[in-house]
Amino acid sequence: AQSVTQPDIHITVSEGASLELRCNYSYGATPYLFWYVQSPGQGLQLLLKYFSGDTLVQGIKGFEAEFKRSQSSFNLRKPSVHWSDAAEYFCAVGAGWSGGYQKVTFGTGTKLQVIP
Amino acid sequence: DGGITQSPKYLFRKEGQNVTLSCEQNLNHDAMYWYRQDPGQGLRLIYYSQIVNDFQKGDIAEGYSVSREKKESFPLTVTSAQKNPTAFYLCASQTGNGGNQPQHFGDGTRLSIL
Repeated sequence: AQSVTQPDIHITVSEGASLELRCNYSYGATPYLFWYVQSPGQGLQLLLKYFSGDTLVQGIKGFEAEFKRSQSSFNLRKPSVHWSDAAEYFCAVGAGWSGGYQKVTFGTGTKLQVIP
Repeated sequence: DGGITQSPKYLFRKEGQNVTLSCEQNLNHDAMYWYRQDPGQGLRLIYYSQIVNDFQKGDIAEGYSVSREKKESFPLTVTSAQKNPTAFYLCASQTGNGGNQPQHFGDGTRLSIL
């Protein structure tokens, strides 16, 4: 069975500082990996995805993530955080498309607080 | 502009009452999903549908029911059998072209008990 671990429940960073959110996954084959962001009371917005190719993936809002197969990790990074980045971030792992749907497992999320 | 519309944004349920959450998409996606979100638990899959008139139970289907009579609509009914329905419910859709296309989400419905 696939699983995702986000070890940090809360993270606080100063505006302008760099950010790294950790994500470890478990999946028996090559995974489809996603990072989503959720503002309070809103749905999930896709930041970036990885399924093959270059292991460093660029996303929206200046985010990037690096797939490391040997460490089963897909950490999210941003070089300089803005106050508007305060939100909850979810890492997710997807199985292959089968039977007309894709089983996606989400982590429990990391809440990011940005201080001035 | 294409997207997923969930309504209502807030919903209150009385004891013994069934309530229905609406989810409509105009993305022409084949697959649709319902998730339940509780604080600190991430998203858990309730039901999914690959095609019109077909749907499957997810990980926590007990106390819920769905229908898929039209491609663009996938309503979720929270029945009186669901003893702990207070949660944030998210609907998602996905194109049927492969797993590299992500799921798209609506803005959610927050259900509370009166």
